[in-house]
Amino acid sequence: DAKTTQPPSMDCAEGRAANLPCNHSTISGNEYVYWYRQIHSQGPQYIIHGLKNNETNEMASLIITEDRKSSTLILPHATLRDTAVYYCIVRAYFSNDYKLSFGAGTTVTVRA
Amino acid sequence: DSGVTQTPKHLITATGQRVTLRCSPRSGDLSVYWYQQSLDQGLQFLIQYYNGEERAKGNILERFSAQQFPDLHSELNLSSLELGDSALYFCASSPKKGGLGGPDTQYFGPGTRLTVL
Repeated sequence: DAKTTQPPSMDCAEGRAANLPCNHSTISGNEYVYWYRQIHSQGPQYIIHGLKNNETNEMASLIITEDRKSSTLILPHATLRDTAVYYCIVRAYFSNDYKLSFGAGTTVTVRA
Repeated sequence: DSGVTQTPKHLITATGQRVTLRCSPRSGDLSVYWYQQSLDQGLQFLIQYYNGEERAKGNILERFSAQQFPDLHSELNLSSLELGDSALYFCASSPKKGGLGGPDTQYFGPGTRLTVL
């Protein structure tokens, strides 16, 4: 799976949009971009995934650049409960290896 | 709520003992994954079961074993416990086997915090 690069930390004001960048410049055509988050000591939580089109669900939006080398996760109205470590990963469409491997992620702190 | 349940939430035991952690996957999911997360390490994959059969193995110690039962719940057995086994143990489930193509989302349970004294 392609490697991803994320900023180590970022702050966000409550009620504002949080834009989390992720670089995956070596992504191949059959790899999806996934986002998970982990609130302190809780189980990782799936947020969203996409291949090349922008995606939106009840939690977030995922914007993938046209060349697919980077993406942005958008939390539209951040709340204090969104404080967590956010992980961006890429996973192959066809893979016999379905285990998840998280990097260091981005620690997002939402401030009142 | 992911739909994955794990029991117990907390477990405190002594070195040398044996414990069993239990996981019930989301309804309809056939794959169960076990992960270990220590304070100073990230998520470490231990083992995957699909529909009762072992599918993939990660860095699982020989002292650890797992199984998936016909009702699809899974148990992780940890024996001859050492201080270093203290960690959060997560179970995740997904509907897929792996290798068949397409996105496969894993849904995690709340975890079991194991403390070995």
